[in-house]
Amino acid sequence: RKEVEQDPGPFNVPEGATVAFNCTYSNSASQSFFWYRQDCRKEPKLLMSVYSSGNEDGRFTAQLNRASQYISLLIRDSKLSDSATYLCVVNIGYGQNFVFGPGTRLSVLP
Amino acid sequence: EPEVTQTPSHQVTQMGQEVILRCVPISNHLYFYWYRQILGQKVEFLVSFYNNEISEKSEIFDDQFSVERPDGSNFTLKIRSTKLEDSAMYFCASTSSTGASGANVLTFGAGSRLTVL
Repeated sequence: RKEVEQDPGPFNVPEGATVAFNCTYSNSASQSFFWYRQDCRKEPKLLMSVYSSGNEDGRFTAQLNRASQYISLLIRDSKLSDSATYLCVVNIGYGQNFVFGPGTRLSVLP
Repeated sequence: EPEVTQTPSHQVTQMGQEVILRCVPISNHLYFYWYRQILGQKVEFLVSFYNNEISEKSEIFDDQFSVERPDGSNFTLKIRSTKLEDSAMYFCASTSSTGASGANVLTFGAGSRLTVL
């Protein structure tokens, strides 16, 4: 089983749509969870950290279910600028490897 | 905003040549990483470095690879004898270690694209 798995995508949605991405991880010792965004041929950039209580940042909402080892990202009112690949990232602890999922590509269409 | 800087942005080399990729992590960060991403594929962990030694490395990081922190600011990745399959984007990243909420966040440099011919 792969360490971090994501919806394969791509997701093609119209502007204004709500889209949800799912991620599962295999290592139950994982401590920190993140969503990163990567534009084509650019570095990954932090979108948001994911906390057990769930967290929201504007149009973005992240949820974590430790029991199911499942992470989600919800994007409301999609903008053209949201088009990117969304990476689910999991870390065991300081100094340890951050494990990346394969990414889910989102295209927001006008 | 503090950033991780990498040089060169793009390097083209012949197979079998040695390559050194350079990184300057964020100044108060203590954990340093190299990742690579082959075009169209996922981001893959190579190595992490803390307190002047490797703390973890992946299967990809074989004897052809080495890392060094030669002074207080630079963090380098050396590939001794490049292969065609080493062609990829190499990302340097760093994190702090304060333990404060949000501190264990990986910040990436813009990457060094390596093309092996």
